[in-house]
Amino acid sequence: NAGVTQTPKFQVLKTGQSMTLQCAQDMNHNSMYWYRQDPGMGLRLIYYSASEGTTDKGEVPNGYNVSRLNKREFSLRLESAAPSQTSVYFCASSQGLAGSLKETQYFGPGTRLLVL
Amino acid sequence: AQKITQTQPGMFVQEKEAVTLDCTYDTSDPSYGLFWYKQPSSGEMIFLIYQGSYDQQNATEGRYSLNFQKARKSANLVISASQLGDSAMYFCAMRETNRGSTLGRLYFGRGTQLTVWP
Repeated sequence: NAGVTQTPKFQVLKTGQSMTLQCAQDMNHNSMYWYRQDPGMGLRLIYYSASEGTTDKGEVPNGYNVSRLNKREFSLRLESAAPSQTSVYFCASSQGLAGSLKETQYFGPGTRLLVL
Repeated sequence: AQKITQTQPGMFVQEKEAVTLDCTYDTSDPSYGLFWYKQPSSGEMIFLIYQGSYDQQNATEGRYSLNFQKARKSANLVISASQLGDSAMYFCAMRETNRGSTLGRLYFGRGTQLTVWP
């Protein structure tokens, strides 16, 4: 049982390049999330998917797109990377039960992205 | 306005002592949940403890307890008998309900870096 996995672990891009961050969970969770973590800023929500087939913007969606490929997989795409997107990216998942305040979000190990 | 405020960028505590990490929150929802996560230097996010807004008692999980003061909108994490392995970044987070349905998203504070010294 791997939980939440992310690939790649590290990536260096040049400004203007594109890439896709992959995330998969094996916990049969309905909801999945993408966060970015910057020094002194905590985690900020980029996009989330409450259930398969739906995606919604979070706090900082500009410059990103997402795809909920199926129940297990939720990818984050940078179409034209910018230095401001240098960050650590975390994918998370939760059961996604309506009305459940208590459910825990489980996080992947993160992807460190450097945009030059 | 920030939904979660952690005013202590860094805290230091001696091994075996207790330490309190502060967290205040801002919400108009009557029903919400509060979480604490630990992030060691290896980077993973580890769930520690949960407190619901209607819970009658403060949450406890082993050496972790949550000092929940609803009127003050604070949810401070107390770590008793600190260990060297407790050195990490600690994040407070909140989940709100939205018109009766939970979207599931968490709002995070900026974190407190805890250092435990021998």
